[in-house]
Amino acid sequence: QKEVEQDPGPLSVPEGAIVSLNCTYSNSAFQYFMWYRQYSRKGPELLMYTYSSGNKEDGRFTAQVDKSSKYISLFIRDSQPSDSATYLCAMSRGNTPLVFGKGTRLSVIA
Amino acid sequence: EAQVTQNPRYLITVTGKKLTVTCSQNMNHEYMSWYRQDPGLGLRQIYYSMNVEVTDKGDVPEGYKVSRKEKRNFPLILESPSPNQTSLYFCASSLSPTRQVGGMNTEAFFGQGTRLTVV
Repeated sequence: QKEVEQDPGPLSVPEGAIVSLNCTYSNSAFQYFMWYRQYSRKGPELLMYTYSSGNKEDGRFTAQVDKSSKYISLFIRDSQPSDSATYLCAMSRGNTPLVFGKGTRLSVIA
Repeated sequence: EAQVTQNPRYLITVTGKKLTVTCSQNMNHEYMSWYRQDPGLGLRQIYYSMNVEVTDKGDVPEGYKVSRKEKRNFPLILESPSPNQTSLYFCASSLSPTRQVGGMNTEAFFGQGTRLTVV
């Protein structure tokens, strides 16, 4: 089993929809959870981060971590065409480099 | 402006011709790493460096070399490139994977990427 699993998509939604992106992981020692957004032909950039379990909200974005299920989610409300990108989850034990998911490609159609 | 700069952005080369992709960061970060990104395989770490003169293998180091003589620079060297090294390469830097800022493991800043084609 891979350390981090992420459905590659592609995921296509209409503008205004709520988007749910997910990752599962196998290493219970992971403490730090991040979501990166990568636009075409660009490097990934940090979008959200969460420490341990719980929710974090930033504008239209909400990150959730359920450590008991080893499952993390990113929700995008009122999705916009500008949200079209690849979203990568990443996580760490805190003393090791980040481990990335393969990324989910999202298209928001106007 | 805080940034990670890679050069070149695009490179087409022939099998066996040595090449170097440069990476430089201006944030005084200790930790730097190289990734390759391939369709269906995601980001895979090639090499990383915890500090000057300290480097270690990542998940896919075969066919690559790195050096860290200065804190700001971390070049990736392909001594004898082969077609299976055709990929999109990213350099990244952060304070340290063990350092926490505001309660989080420090963010990785990525360069813009180098698209390498080996024919």
